[in-house]
Amino acid sequence: RKEVEQDPGPFNVPEGATVAFNCTYSNSASQSFFWYRQDCRKEPKLLMSVYSSGNEDGRFTAQLNRASQYISLLIRDSKLSDSATYLCVVTTRTGNQFYFGTGTSLTVIP
Amino acid sequence: GAVVSQHPSRVICKSGTSVKIECRSLDFQATTMFWYRQFPKQSLMLMATSNEGSKATYEQGVEKDKFLINHASLTLSTLTVTSAHPEDSSFYICSAGVVRPDPPYEQYFGPGTRLTVT
Repeated sequence: RKEVEQDPGPFNVPEGATVAFNCTYSNSASQSFFWYRQDCRKEPKLLMSVYSSGNEDGRFTAQLNRASQYISLLIRDSKLSDSATYLCVVTTRTGNQFYFGTGTSLTVIP
Repeated sequence: GAVVSQHPSRVICKSGTSVKIECRSLDFQATTMFWYRQFPKQSLMLMATSNEGSKATYEQGVEKDKFLINHASLTLSTLTVTSAHPEDSSFYICSAGVVRPDPPYEQYFGPGTRLTVT
């Protein structure tokens, strides 16, 4: 079983739409959670960390559900520039092992 | 923010030759560095984890004699692809991890090296 699983999409949404991605993880002892964004042929860049209490950064909201072992990312008022692949990342308790989901592809359409 | 550099950004080599890729953390000391490989339209696959001064830990299926990792200091790790073959053509990305006393731990990615073996 994979450590982290994501729906690969693709998600094609119109500008202004709200879109949500989910990611499940298998290790209940996982410690830290992140969403990364990767543009085509570029390295991943940290979008936001995910905390148990949930956190928001502008149009982006991340939530963690430890009981069900999933994390989510909500993007409101989608922009064309949001088109990218979104990667869910989970780390072990020691923090030395990072596990990536396969990524969810988002295309925002004019 | 933390900056990680990678060199070279692109390399084309002939089959059978070796290629060395450098990964440097420029403004912080990385406790751990990671090497990933990404094939087109696929996610990153962790190849190995290295801690400064100790041997790298390779993921299952990654040949340690083919992909040599040297982590000489807290700011530099190198990956050498030995006797490269066309199937080794890929996007190689390093990252530097920062393990703090309290989570969340973070890692910062280099810009990647695109290797093409002809």
